[in-house]
Amino acid sequence: DIQMTQSPSSLSASVGDRVTITCQASHDIGNFLNWYQQKPGKAPKLLIYDASNLQTGVPSKFSGSGSGTDFTFTISSLQPEDFATYYCQQYDNLPLTFGGGTKVEIK
Amino acid sequence: EVQLVQSGGEVKKPGESLKISCKASGYSFSNYWIGWVRQMPGKGLEWMGIIYPGDSDTRYSPSFQGRVTISADKSINTAYLQWSSLRASDTAMYYCARHLALGVFYYPDYWGQGILVTVSS
Repeated sequence: DIQMTQSPSSLSASVGDRVTITCQASHDIGNFLNWYQQKPGKAPKLLIYDASNLQTGVPSKFSGSGSGTDFTFTISSLQPEDFATYYCQQYDNLPLTFGGGTKVEIK
Repeated sequence: EVQLVQSGGEVKKPGESLKISCKASGYSFSNYWIGWVRQMPGKGLEWMGIIYPGDSDTRYSPSFQGRVTISADKSINTAYLQWSSLRASDTAMYYCARHLALGVFYYPDYWGQGILVTVSS
């Protein structure tokens, strides 16, 4: 299985801050990487696919970059509705695997 | 609009069997893979497996192979996840998710609301 390592596991930030999360794959996965947002008690929501493409309807404050083994997810200006847990996920190989998640909390 | 509506929460005893469901609408059910993702209390997401309702082709994660069965009934646009003998460690939220397929690559794009399965004596 491909291991996905996300960091940090949690962070505290203020409204308006720029937030960056990293994700590292144990093998080269090209750009077969997605980012999901999960709010408490809710299902995950796809934000970014193919490492850098914004899912339809997702605000442009979210962005992703990277390829191979190293990826980055950025929220350009954190808003109250963005406090959630974010997961990276590879789909280069089955089984699909997720990072451990990054919980973004209010400072 | 794509919708995946899952059945209600379940409380079961160890050793009991269970089958949970996920009804799809708003797209051609037979032509998309659909699968299941587990989330244990306070933990992350674990992909369990997928099925192609058109021909019932199924892929499992090795971690779940033999422990669960994924099936689908394309006549009623519904996918299922079942256990023959539950354990306390099966207590979790279970999400169904439509999977977008790009050749041999698949990933979840739309998710159901989740079903909480509690296994306790």
